[in-house]
Amino acid sequence: KAGVTQTPRYLIKTRGQQVTLSCSPISGHRSVSWYQQTPGQGLQFLFEYFSETQRNKGNFPGRFSGRQFSNSRSEMNVSTLELGDSALYLCPSSLAGGGQETQYFGPGTRLLVL
Amino acid sequence: KQEVTQIPAALSVPEGENLVLNCSFTDSAIYNLQWFRQDPGKGLTSLLLIQSSQREQTSGRLNASLDKSSGRSTLYIAASQPGDSATYLCAALGDSNYQLIWGAGTKLIIKP
Repeated sequence: KAGVTQTPRYLIKTRGQQVTLSCSPISGHRSVSWYQQTPGQGLQFLFEYFSETQRNKGNFPGRFSGRQFSNSRSEMNVSTLELGDSALYLCPSSLAGGGQETQYFGPGTRLLVL
Repeated sequence: KQEVTQIPAALSVPEGENLVLNCSFTDSAIYNLQWFRQDPGKGLTSLLLIQSSQREQTSGRLNASLDKSSGRSTLYIAASQPGDSATYLCAALGDSNYQLIWGAGTKLIIKP
């Protein structure tokens, strides 16, 4: 069974631009979460989607948004990029989500904002 | 507000030693406590998940314990190997908001 796939793996953007990251979960998994990982703040929860609905949301500004499609693939969009958005973005998937079961992580997308 | 702390931030031990990684949390109202490892340039791999009603979980050479009353969890690694070198993270799932709160991790180096 293929693991979680995230594209692109690496991305360089400039301040003010917007970016869309893609995440394909493990087949059969309906929950996709998004995390931001930085050296200073560690891992921080962005949001979770389950069956195309946002089920939970962390404390990030509205510039961060996401969606999930009927095939469970998910996208995260960040508008008006800031230097502090440079991070590794991870999207684990699981069967039912809610953090109550094992989550499976992909390699992440490393975003650099210049 | 839940806070999760992992001390030490880094640890270096000779191959073959048994070792313990520590994780402490401030709010005992957790649904579960999870341990992960992260290898350089890679995502995270789930190691063990302990439900709040459990005291420990075991997988191979790994054993994780949970003591909610003291706000502590430990990850015990037996007979360490160079392949165990990685950053180990713990995360606590709140039983009300179902958001994982993460520790900063312990970077473990096993010297051959």
